[in-house]
Amino acid sequence: RKEVEQDPGPFNVPEGATVAFNCTYSNSASQSFFWYRQDCRKEPKLLMSVYSSGNEDGRFTAQLNRASQYISLLIRDSKLSDSATYLCVVVTGNQFYFGTGTSLTVIP
Amino acid sequence: IAGITQAPTSQILAAGRRMTLRCTQDMRHNAMYWYRQDLGLGLRLIHYSNTAGTTGKGEVPDGYSVSRANTDDFPLTLASAVPSQTSVYFCASSAAGGQGGYNEQFFGPGTRLTVL
Repeated sequence: RKEVEQDPGPFNVPEGATVAFNCTYSNSASQSFFWYRQDCRKEPKLLMSVYSSGNEDGRFTAQLNRASQYISLLIRDSKLSDSATYLCVVVTGNQFYFGTGTSLTVIP
Repeated sequence: IAGITQAPTSQILAAGRRMTLRCTQDMRHNAMYWYRQDLGLGLRLIHYSNTAGTTGKGEVPDGYSVSRANTDDFPLTLASAVPSQTSVYFCASSAAGGQGGYNEQFFGPGTRLTVL
């Protein structure tokens, strides 16, 4: 079983829409979680860390559900500039496990 | 420099040739990593180093070698390149966090390698 499973999409949403991505992970001992954003032909960049209590950064909300072993990313009021691939990351010990990424296109 | 740099930006290489991809970071991070990214497969770890002087194998280490002589540099060498090593290669680094964990990874801009 893969360490991290992520729906590849693609998600095509109109501007202003709310969209949510989920990732599931297999190891209950995983201790750190992140969401990264990757633009076409660029390197992944940290979007936000994910905390057990949930955390928000502007239009972005990340949540962790340890009981069900998944993390989520919610984007409200989507902008054209949000179009990118979003990668979830799960850290177990000293190993980082990346999801395959979910493609988002925001349509005018 | 600020962050992580990689060189070259891109390279076309004949099969059988030796190639070293360079990676340098100036953040004094303990850990460094090499990934390859292929369409549909996501990021796959090739090799990693938790601290200078130590290295470890990742998910896809065959055909690649690394060294970590100091904190800043982590070169990746393809001893005899094959077409299946055509990919985008990303170097990353992270600082050790609390309780044995690690903070987020920072990525270099990538090297696009084509092996013919």
